Amino acid sequence: GQNIDQPTEMTATEGAIVQINCTYQTSGFNGLFWYQQHAGEAPTFLSYNVLDGLEEKGRFSSFLSRSKGYSYLLLKELQMKDSASYLCAVMDSNYQLIWGAGTKLIIKP
Amino acid sequence: DAGITQSPRHKVTETGTPVTLRCHQTENHRYMYWYRQDPGHGLRLIHYSYGVKDTDKGEVSDGYSVSRSKTEDFLLTLESATSSQTSVYFCAISESAGGYNEQFFGPGTRLTVL
Repeated sequence: GQNIDQPTEMTATEGAIVQINCTYQTSGFNGLFWYQQHAGEAPTFLSYNVLDGLEEKGRFSSFLSRSKGYSYLLLKELQMKDSASYLCAVMDSNYQLIWGAGTKLIIKP
Repeated sequence: DAGITQSPRHKVTETGTPVTLRCHQTENHRYMYWYRQDPGHGLRLIHYSYGVKDTDKGEVSDGYSVSRSKTEDFLLTLESATSSQTSVYFCAISESAGGYNEQFFGPGTRLTVL
């Protein structure tokens, strides 16, 4: 079966750094996506990794290791508006996205 | 922001009644998707479309049907709603299926089946 695992909830402090991990087992691999979803809203795209390594985009970075079936999303200089759920999704061999259940990130002042 | 709207945004219905949800896009994207999102689960694909009149089943298609008669509209129908179909439904679009083609999501429809 196909499986995406990520922590259910994390707490961090404003101004700090947090790393959200995602491990996956899928039928094939055509890239890994991270989305942000604020409560009651639609998911919005954050990043895409298809090759091993780190992709940096402002305060957000995403890392991928295909051999380990592992990715993480790194958020720096946390702001209160970063309080949201972060969704990890893998595109499988059929080009369909398999989604994790999401990590709810709580930012405290 | 990608131009995607969903209607209705909220609906309460009774078990056994038919329900149709509409997704409308103004981006002329080829691919359209219907997902449901439930607590403790990731987004789950119900059906998707890769062109007008071209649709296929996703992971959780039982009890749902879809139609796409125009590029811009993708309809999701629950023929006879059940309480297990209470969920938040998201429509998404993408230019193509693979590679670096992010999916853009509509605002969602919250459906409650009593």
